[in-house]
Amino acid sequence: TQLLEQSPQFLSIQEGENLTVYCNSSSVFSSLQWYRQEPGEGPVLLVTVVTGGEVKKLKRLTFQFGDARKDSSLHITAAQPGDTGLYLCAGLYGNNRLAFGKGNQVVVIP
Amino acid sequence: KAGVTQTPRYLIKTRGQQVTLSCSPISGHRSVSWYQQTPGQGLQFLFEYFSETQRNKGNFPGRFSGRQFSNSRSEMNVSTLELGDSALYLCASSLTLAGEDTQYFGPGTRLTVL
Repeated sequence: TQLLEQSPQFLSIQEGENLTVYCNSSSVFSSLQWYRQEPGEGPVLLVTVVTGGEVKKLKRLTFQFGDARKDSSLHITAAQPGDTGLYLCAGLYGNNRLAFGKGNQVVVIP
Repeated sequence: KAGVTQTPRYLIKTRGQQVTLSCSPISGHRSVSWYQQTPGQGLQFLFEYFSETQRNKGNFPGRFSGRQFSNSRSEMNVSTLELGDSALYLCASSLTLAGEDTQYFGPGTRLTVL
């Protein structure tokens, strides 16, 4: 059973367009993290959101944590080819364990 | 400072064999976690070690085992390999893995079982 569901699984857009991907769960998490993974590499942490309703910005990336701390979204403004990658969300729950979603594969076409 | 290193990067084995993967955490980090990543299941937690003790364990069969040494380096072993064990095995280190400790991932070991 996957604790975190990410949608869409795959998204291809043109450079300069905006996109939003989602991470949903029926479980409550004490915090939620977003990672980006590129081919041949391990995931790299982008942001951690802790408070329900929290919004964090990282340059052109905007992360939002749902009010009930069950879901999150990642919005990319004016996407660039360097944004291409697998975006993973991970929730921290019980006994300091991380549960990952399967990821949103984003491809930005120049 | 140097990141998390994993060796080997690629490995090909046949069914029934066993394999040992190694992970060297960032200097000073005492927690090492292992994950299996496959296209179908995504990243799944295997186990976590802290100060040579297994603190957490995921839902994997007993064929998957691990250990941590006094210098925090960790190894994981998979015995009696099955085709379904083909995956990217990632390790991640953190200072303590408490609360919001950041986990730093290595590049992974790509295991192919034929």
